[in-house]
Amino acid sequence: AQSVAQPEDQVNVAEGNPLTVKCTYSVSGNPYLFWYVQYPNRGLQFLLKYITGDNLVKGSYGFEAEFNKSQTSFHLKKPSALVSDSALYFCAVRDSGAGSYQLTFGKGTKLSVIP
Amino acid sequence: ETGVTQTPRHLVMGMTNKKSLKCEQHLGHNAMYWYKQSAKKPLELMFVYNFKEQTENNSVPSRFSPECPNSSHLFLHLHTLQPEDSALYLCASSQDKPRGSSGNTIYFGEGSWLTVV
Repeated sequence: AQSVAQPEDQVNVAEGNPLTVKCTYSVSGNPYLFWYVQYPNRGLQFLLKYITGDNLVKGSYGFEAEFNKSQTSFHLKKPSALVSDSALYFCAVRDSGAGSYQLTFGKGTKLSVIP
Repeated sequence: ETGVTQTPRHLVMGMTNKKSLKCEQHLGHNAMYWYKQSAKKPLELMFVYNFKEQTENNSVPSRFSPECPNSSHLFLHLHTLQPEDSALYLCASSQDKPRGSSGNTIYFGEGSWLTVV
């Protein structure tokens, strides 16, 4: 079975400060890891993903994430937060060896960037 | 603007009504998905179609009936729903292997907000 944990329901950060949204995962094989963002009353937008290779992945809107296999983590980061980054962020995992289409999502973390 | 278009964006229906949600993808993908997003719960995968064949059905009640006439279109037919079925229903698509488990990105539509009264 595969699972994702986002330990924080909400993260508050001041505009201009660095932000981190945490994610840990569990799979039996190798993970494919994704971050999505959801703005109010909208669908999910793809931010970035880790498949293989370099552990530091860069994505849209200046976001990046670091894959850490030993800690089974894939935290989302941004060096300088913007008010417009305020949204709901979802981490998701797919097991490369599962033979399934299942993409398992975390509960989501609400990011609030304070002006 | 996404490559996955869902209609209607908002739907209010009574428990005895029959309605349908429609999804169209313009990305040339071969797999399409229905997800359910309820308040305070993680996204739930409902159905997956690959090359028009249903490949996954995650124990969804029969009052939800999917239909995939071709690789670009996906429907969710709704019949005798319950108030607890009120949620955001998200359609998605990807280019995937026949048995899934690729690293290809799944792209989502804007969702259809369903309220059952």
